[in-house]
Amino acid sequence: GAVVSQHPSRVICKSGTSVKIECRSLDFQATTMFWYRQFPKQSLMLMATSNEGSKATYEQGVEKDKFLINHASLTLSTLTVTSAHPEDSSFYICSARGSTSSSYEQYFGPGTRLTVT
Amino acid sequence: KQEVTQIPAALSVPEGENLVLNCSFTDSAIYNLQWFRQDPGKGLTSLLLIQSSQREQTSGRLNASLDKSSGRSTLYIAASQPGDSATYLCAVQGSQGNLIFGKGTKLSVKP
Repeated sequence: GAVVSQHPSRVICKSGTSVKIECRSLDFQATTMFWYRQFPKQSLMLMATSNEGSKATYEQGVEKDKFLINHASLTLSTLTVTSAHPEDSSFYICSARGSTSSSYEQYFGPGTRLTVT
Repeated sequence: KQEVTQIPAALSVPEGENLVLNCSFTDSAIYNLQWFRQDPGKGLTSLLLIQSSQREQTSGRLNASLDKSSGRSTLYIAASQPGDSATYLCAVQGSQGNLIFGKGTKLSVKP
């Protein structure tokens, strides 16, 4: 149980275009989803937290107009990187937490490798 | 602001050796601490989760301890195998529910 998927696993796009990444909880209802970014040889950095049906909360330094997050249902959250630039190239990982998770445990997706050329 | 530090940054050991990975955090007000494994270019695999009220957790050859008052955790790997080679990440969860990660320890187990 507690499986989280991400799609696509890998995407290459041209500078200036937008890219959408999906995060799905497959076997549980995710009331909260988190989006992380990981640059090479660096740790995961939280970008934003989203609760189903409400606006995402962004971490300091993360542009909310550039990284659009939608958590429209209890099983799906999307991250859209708008007007992508090469410096946005990174590994994006989502995680999800269920409403019944008493330990606050998060379950992670496999990640999406974004390359902007 | 919570900061998580992992030492060493990299470790290379021969197969069969027991080893310890260290994690320290600056704010002891945590809900839990988790150890993850990350293979190159892949996502995270949760290894062990220790609640703030617990002192340790064990799973197979892995044992994680938590000393919240001193802001430390260790991950002990017994009888290491080449398949254990990966980056090990420590993360603490605060009151907001978000995880704060260390930079990881890259482990290489030589056959």
